[in-house]
Amino acid sequence: GIQVEQSPPDLILQEGANSTLRCNFSDSVNNLQWFHQNPWGQLINLFYIPSGTKQNGRLSATTVATERYSLLYISSSQTTDSGVYFCAVGRVNDSGGAGSYQLTFGKGTKLSVIP
Amino acid sequence: DTEVTQTPKHLVMGMTNKKSLKCEQHMGHRAMYWYKQKAKKPPELMFVYSYEKLSINESVPSRFSPECPNSSLLNLHLHALQPEDSALYLCASSQEFGTPAGGYFGPGTRLTVL
Repeated sequence: GIQVEQSPPDLILQEGANSTLRCNFSDSVNNLQWFHQNPWGQLINLFYIPSGTKQNGRLSATTVATERYSLLYISSSQTTDSGVYFCAVGRVNDSGGAGSYQLTFGKGTKLSVIP
Repeated sequence: DTEVTQTPKHLVMGMTNKKSLKCEQHMGHRAMYWYKQKAKKPPELMFVYSYEKLSINESVPSRFSPECPNSSLLNLHLHALQPEDSALYLCASSQEFGTPAGGYFGPGTRLTVL
């Protein structure tokens, strides 16, 4: 199956600092998503970004599909940004249909933003 | 309404109990998913329902049984669970199978098996 590696595994930031999280994947994909899981367990879909660049407020993401990586940028971090950021990738294989879909998550980056 | 709801939020059960987790969405999404997440681990896909067809992660034991009564509801029936099944169980939905642009996750059910 597809391997997903995220870095760094842990990150501590002072409030107001910027950061870049990276996601490398081992094979071609037609789905890539970034999620934020807050300390209470809620997973929030941040971006659906199989290729290109998107921005949403202080967050932006870039995926270079040909080089099999994606970056998540967080600017002017706030304490509410704390939590775990997951990259997840998926690919519908040649057989198609319901059984072919898999969404594989990386191990996540745990971000702690301190006041 | 852009949310997935899950009940209950917390569940404690014994190894001989039978219980069910419920998931509901009213976004007209055609695919729904169950994930299991152990502490400090990423979510792992258990089941996918799409177009009324069930796909199973073959590593999921038979003590977990999904049911999709209609396109808005997804249940997970639990029977004879083991303590190692204690985890956060997440339900998700997406508009179309395989391309969950804007896929949504529910808040999860924290399950403890004694």
